[in-house]
Amino acid sequence: QQQVKQSPQSLIVQKGGISIINCAYENTAFDYFPWYQQFPGKGPALLIAIRPDVSEKKEGRFTISFNKSAKQFSLHIMDSQPGDSATYFCAASKKLQGTSGSRLTFGEGTQLTVNP
Amino acid sequence: GAVVSQHPSWVICKSGTSVKIECRSLDFQATTMFWYRQFPKQSLMLMATSNEGSKATYEQGVEKDKFLINHASLTLSTLTVTSAHPEDSSFYICSARPQGGYYGYTFGSGTRLTVV
Repeated sequence: QQQVKQSPQSLIVQKGGISIINCAYENTAFDYFPWYQQFPGKGPALLIAIRPDVSEKKEGRFTISFNKSAKQFSLHIMDSQPGDSATYFCAASKKLQGTSGSRLTFGEGTQLTVNP
Repeated sequence: GAVVSQHPSWVICKSGTSVKIECRSLDFQATTMFWYRQFPKQSLMLMATSNEGSKATYEQGVEKDKFLINHASLTLSTLTVTSAHPEDSSFYICSARPQGGYYGYTFGSGTRLTVV
């Protein structure tokens, strides 16, 4: 069961444009929504994250928009640069019952290409 | 910031042999570490959750006897792929969460395993 659905699968934008990646989740128990950036042959790196009590979070050129009622969240990359070309994963986390731990559920990933 | 070191970054082994992958938290203690497997152009698939001083929790469908996980200290978890076969070739990534921290997942740089 895919609990976090991500779209589009691939995205091509021109330098300076806005890249938008969308995710939808099903489980209302999720309480932490991070975005990861992954370059080929490397592990994912945390880009930005949001809690469900906030509708928007901005860090530099990266913004997360969060719609709790629609169970959707999106990543906006402003002024996209060729160096942003990578695979982006949304994720969601929820606490594990009976423990103080948690686990991440990942979306399918979006391959972003920013043309110069 | 929290740093997770994974070693080796790539390894080639012959069918039937075993390979050990190490995951170290360099500047924090991690009671919980996670092991993921990633196929080309696909998302991260959680294989198991490694808990310091106790048995790992494996995801459904993951062979416990093939993928041995040991979390002997608060800074080291190891994944041993036993009797490796070509179908075990993949990108393996570990992740750790600081002790007492709930949201801060840090990923290692990954290990490319090729079984010939």
